[in-house]
Amino acid sequence: QQQVKQSPQSLIVQKGGISIINCAYENTAFDYFPWYQQFPGKGPALLIAIRPDVSEKKEGRFTISFNKSAKQFSLHIMDSQPGDSATYFCAASREGGANNLFFGTGTRLTVIP
Amino acid sequence: DTGVSQNPRHKITKRGQNVTFRCDPISEHNRLYWYRQTLGQGPEFLTYFQNEAQLEKSRLLSDRFSAERPKGSFSTLEIQRTEQGDSAMYLCASSPGPGLGGYTFGSGTRLTVV
Repeated sequence: QQQVKQSPQSLIVQKGGISIINCAYENTAFDYFPWYQQFPGKGPALLIAIRPDVSEKKEGRFTISFNKSAKQFSLHIMDSQPGDSATYFCAASREGGANNLFFGTGTRLTVIP
Repeated sequence: DTGVSQNPRHKITKRGQNVTFRCDPISEHNRLYWYRQTLGQGPEFLTYFQNEAQLEKSRLLSDRFSAERPKGSFSTLEIQRTEQGDSAMYLCASSPGPGLGGYTFGSGTRLTVV
């Protein structure tokens, strides 16, 4: 049973465009929602994370939007660059991230120059 | 400290052999986690330690898998009698503890069972 559902599976965006990846969850006990970026042959790297007491968090070109009532959250990458081409995973956890993470299935982003 | 270190990076083994992987976490992090990632999927939780205590194990961790963190520093993950289905990337991560920030993952050990 997939605790966190992620879409789309793959995404192609022109350089300078906006990349949007969506995730949904069911478990209302989740209280920590990070996004990870993974390059081939590397482990996932934390990009940005949000807790459910805020609806949006922005760090540079990366923004998380969070809708608690709909149990959905999304990652927006503004001004997408070829260097952003990677696989992105959303995740969710209890206990503010201290507990194990449940990951989505990933979105493979390709940014075309 | 340059991050979470995992060794070896790659391991090829014959079915039925035992393998052991090592993880060295960030030194001040007291939580250590093991995940497994198969191609095209997100990482799946296996187990985690608070210092030397193993606090939680996933049902994915069959009897053939064992993890230790004897002195609360490095950890080992052993797989006995490997099967082809064990082929995956095994990821280690560490964190400073509850509410103190996200995980830092290592680069993983890629296991291929032939």
